[in-house]
Amino acid sequence: GAVVSQHPSWVICKSGTSVKIECRSLDFQATTMFWYRQFPKQSLMLMATSNEGSKATYEQGVEKDKFLINHASLTLSTLTVTSAHPEDSSFYICSAPGLAGDSDTQYFGPGTRLTVL
Amino acid sequence: GQNIDQPTEMTATEGAIVQINCTYQTSGFNGLFWYQQHAGEAPTFLSYNVLDGLEEKGRFSSFLSRSKGYSYLLLKELQMKDSASYLCAVRDSNYQLIWGAGTKLIIKP
Repeated sequence: GAVVSQHPSWVICKSGTSVKIECRSLDFQATTMFWYRQFPKQSLMLMATSNEGSKATYEQGVEKDKFLINHASLTLSTLTVTSAHPEDSSFYICSAPGLAGDSDTQYFGPGTRLTVL
Repeated sequence: GQNIDQPTEMTATEGAIVQINCTYQTSGFNGLFWYQQHAGEAPTFLSYNVLDGLEEKGRFSSFLSRSKGYSYLLLKELQMKDSASYLCAVRDSNYQLIWGAGTKLIIKP
């Protein structure tokens, strides 16, 4: 089946620094990827839709200047959290659409746990 | 507004059957998904329903009634490894996924 990888799996950084998270589709091409954030015991929240070769589409309330998304190729999307603060600490997950049998679905990366001190 | 409701937590016994319900109110409907999420991990796909009826996949089955805005996930022959959160998600008319908060399932021996 399709595999999506994320790197790093966890990161701890100081407040004010920037953190880059990579999302790769390993054996398929993804013109679209999705970035989610999940706070403890809460639902997945879609942050933005990453589009290869064009600008990302951000959800309402998500600061595009703070969460920079680059979809440089058909297998790689990156999310950069700029000037991170403790309130940005969360579990960040990317996904790419694909097929599971006859059903279209999303394949999720393993997630990146960000802790901002 | 768009809304997906599922119970916060359920407890069941190993070897038993459990049904997790999901009701939704969304702007349009283009399919309903169930995902399993173990603590600290990303969700994994379980099932997809777009037409009314029951879809069976081994120990897991998912049911959909579009007229009632209702779905359930049925887990049979429960195993300890089934302890996880189960997320219901609906794809709306804009093909966006709207997520429920998830149901934490606790399996007891």
